[in-house]
Amino acid sequence: DGGITQSPKYLFRKEGQNVTLSCEQNLNHDAMYWYRQDPGQGLRLIYYSQIVNDFQKGDIAEGYSVSREKKESFPLTVTSAQKNPTAFYLCASSPGPWPGEYFGPGTRLTVL
Amino acid sequence: AQSVAQPEDQVNVAEGNPLTVKCTYSVSGNPYLFWYVQYPNRGLQFLLKYITGDNLVKGSYGFEAEFNKSQTSFHLKKPSALVSDSALYFCAVSSNDYKLSFGAGTTVTVRA
Repeated sequence: DGGITQSPKYLFRKEGQNVTLSCEQNLNHDAMYWYRQDPGQGLRLIYYSQIVNDFQKGDIAEGYSVSREKKESFPLTVTSAQKNPTAFYLCASSPGPWPGEYFGPGTRLTVL
Repeated sequence: AQSVAQPEDQVNVAEGNPLTVKCTYSVSGNPYLFWYVQYPNRGLQFLLKYITGDNLVKGSYGFEAEFNKSQTSFHLKKPSALVSDSALYFCAVSSNDYKLSFGAGTTVTVRA
């Protein structure tokens, strides 16, 4: 079955530590995205990548970093510079510039 | 800039009654409109989308939505709601530039 996997499902981090969230897709999609979800605010775009070795900042990129070395993988690093990292993080992919149909199951990050 | 408004935080209906979840949007150029459903601690599930063509779009699980350009609206509807439709619903808009903007979400509760 084609789809998007995110790991881990739950992640706990101490303040001051960097942490990396995994996102893998086997849909052969060129574009991949990272969103952050907070209660009552919907989803906000962190970073997106249209193609391998290229990525752009979204609306709330500060304190985050990404890489896109392989088509199927788009890991997100939450750095210690992110002031309020506790949230639900969702990865998505699309075959072109019309994002929308394919989302992963999410990773819930909690900073202790 | 693009944006989405979901004017109702909560919608409550009785099982078997019609369900409507409202969405209005603002975007430069032609809109690409999406509806998603989210169950607790899960990723987003795609319901339907409007790209072009017929204003009435039919999607998954008996849902449909009507695109109204003059009112810049894309309301989600289901003729007969089920208890299992109780969830969080998101409307989103894109202008074919890889960026998807979400509304804050509407919590639907269907009572038996």
